[in-house]
Amino acid sequence: EAGVAQSPRYKIIEKRQSVAFWCNPISGHATLYWYQQILGQGPKLLIQFQNNGVVDDSQLPKDRFSAERLKGVDSTLKIQPAKLEDSAVYLCASSRSGNTIYFGEGSWLTVV
Amino acid sequence: GIQVEQSPPDLILQEGANSTLRCNFSDSVNNLQWFHQNPWGQLINLFYIPSGTKQNGRLSATTVATERYSLLYISSSQTTDSGVYFCAVVVRRALTFGSGTRLQVQP
Repeated sequence: EAGVAQSPRYKIIEKRQSVAFWCNPISGHATLYWYQQILGQGPKLLIQFQNNGVVDDSQLPKDRFSAERLKGVDSTLKIQPAKLEDSAVYLCASSRSGNTIYFGEGSWLTVV
Repeated sequence: GIQVEQSPPDLILQEGANSTLRCNFSDSVNNLQWFHQNPWGQLINLFYIPSGTKQNGRLSATTVATERYSLLYISSSQTTDSGVYFCAVVVRRALTFGSGTRLQVQP
């Protein structure tokens, strides 16, 4: 069974530029999550989808972050414009039932 | 929201030693998972353990949901066990993570 796929793995951008991350969950997993992990901290939930509907986006900074999962499969997380404090690893995860949750390798973002 | 606290924050072991990592949580949870984050950032699911005890090789975990804590045991530690261990509780189908225990196993 293929795992959660993410791209790009690494990205360096200047502040005020935009960036987009892509995630393809494990086949058949209805629930998809985006987490932000700042160096030295635990991951923090940004947004949770159930199929193509948003379940929880209470911690998503909506003035600059957006995410979509149009067909209920893969998802895109966008940041525009980026700030220095957005430097982090962006982790995508998926789950079939909300019990065991599986993570991708992450997309490392550096904003300079 | 729910608080998840892990201890100790840092741990250095000699290869072959045993250790216990603790996770306390502030409210009732649907579930709990333990993860190992390797030096490349990959989060590896170790245990899905809402209650009781599970074992997988040199690792085992125990969750006492009524007392709101979970323990992760590592026996006969190896250098490949190094990394950060996270406890995460499931609330409304999403994970809330603790701040982790950074483990360094020295040869």
